Amino acid sequence: DAGVTQSPTHLIKTRGQQVTLRCSPKSGHDTVSWYQQALGQGPQFIFQYYEEEERQRGNFPDRFSGHQFPNYSSELNVNALLLGDSALYLCASSLGRALYGYTFGSGTRLTVV
Amino acid sequence: GENVEQHPSTLSVQEGDSAVIKCTYSDSASNYFPWYKQELGKGPQLIIDIRSNVGEKKDQRIAVTLNKTAKHFSLHITETQPEDSAVYFCAAWGSTLGRLYFGRGTQLTVWP
Repeated sequence: DAGVTQSPTHLIKTRGQQVTLRCSPKSGHDTVSWYQQALGQGPQFIFQYYEEEERQRGNFPDRFSGHQFPNYSSELNVNALLLGDSALYLCASSLGRALYGYTFGSGTRLTVV
Repeated sequence: GENVEQHPSTLSVQEGDSAVIKCTYSDSASNYFPWYKQELGKGPQLIIDIRSNVGEKKDQRIAVTLNKTAKHFSLHITETQPEDSAVYFCAAWGSTLGRLYFGRGTQLTVWP
């Protein structure tokens, strides 16, 4: 049973560019949450998708947007990249909007140069 | 929102010794407190958790205690082994907002 899978594993982008990160939830899960983990910090909540809609949002600018597809997979898009967007982006999936079975992927390491 | 503080930021112990990591939280509505282990290049892995209606939980060498009145919870690792070396995060589930709030992490190093 595959867990949460994220792609790509590593990515290097230039300031001002746009990036799309992808997440496939664990089998049986229908909710995807995205977190940003800066170097030496704990993960910070970006937003959550359930039933193809953004249900909650953390304190992140509108440059961060997302999408959830009918198969529950999700994308995180970041526009106008800044150096400060360099971080590990983590996807977590769960069943429903509650905490049941909350499982993290291994993340995508984004470096902005 | 919730604010989770974690101490210490680094912890070095000799193999076989115990390690204790402490966290405090601010929102009395938080009702679930997981602990994660993160190894280099990997995502956080849940190692133990505790709900607000329980004071202590143990799983082999790992235990977690929760003091709701004081709003703090702790991770205890006994008989540490070199493979316990990793970054450990505490977190609190904000039941109002339905998301995890993380501490800043503790780098645990276990020396053979």
